[in-house]
Amino acid sequence: KNEVEQSPQNLTAQEGEFITINCSYSVGISALHWLQQHPGGGIVSLFMLSSGKKKHGRLIATINIQEKHSSLHITASHPRDSAVYICAVTWEYGNKLVFGAGTILRVKS
Amino acid sequence: DSGVTQTPKHLITATGQRVTLRCSPRSGDLSVYWYQQSLDQGLQFLIQYYNGEERAKGNILERFSAQQFPDLHSELNLSSLELGDSALYFCASSVAWLYNEQFFGPGTRLTVL
Repeated sequence: KNEVEQSPQNLTAQEGEFITINCSYSVGISALHWLQQHPGGGIVSLFMLSSGKKKHGRLIATINIQEKHSSLHITASHPRDSAVYICAVTWEYGNKLVFGAGTILRVKS
Repeated sequence: DSGVTQTPKHLITATGQRVTLRCSPRSGDLSVYWYQQSLDQGLQFLIQYYNGEERAKGNILERFSAQQFPDLHSELNLSSLELGDSALYFCASSVAWLYNEQFFGPGTRLTVL
């Protein structure tokens, strides 16, 4: 069983739709990261959070430490949002990232 | 552009060979991480260096080794290559050695034939 679980594995949306990707983890963490990987392969760090909520443009990330759960929301989705979204955690007292399997998002125009 | 550079972008080699992947961190970052992304295993942490010293080790094979030099660039050496070593290898950097946002390089795609 993976220590970091993401859902859904695949997601297809119409342009303009509100999108939610979920991430659950099994033990205490010091931080949770949301990453974006485009078809070309490069990885971009979207958010790093340890509590509450962060917003950047149309992207919102939330985390509930008690429930060991985080969500990434995309408002007014656009075809350029099509990518793989990866959740990763840093365990308490650790400094390596442990990754989820990723969510493949396709936004159709 | 994250500010992290990796060379080469692509590398094609044969089984049994040895290769060196290079990473230059963002200006001011002291910590360098190496990750492997393969189709069957996904993204996995290999090793971390901070200011020249090894700080954390993950699923790194004995055939692989890394180091960080005084100018803070890092090299990942892969030897006795096998077909299964074909993967994308990413380097990331951060300011400190713990609990920091990491910035990823563009990756090196290694193909072992």
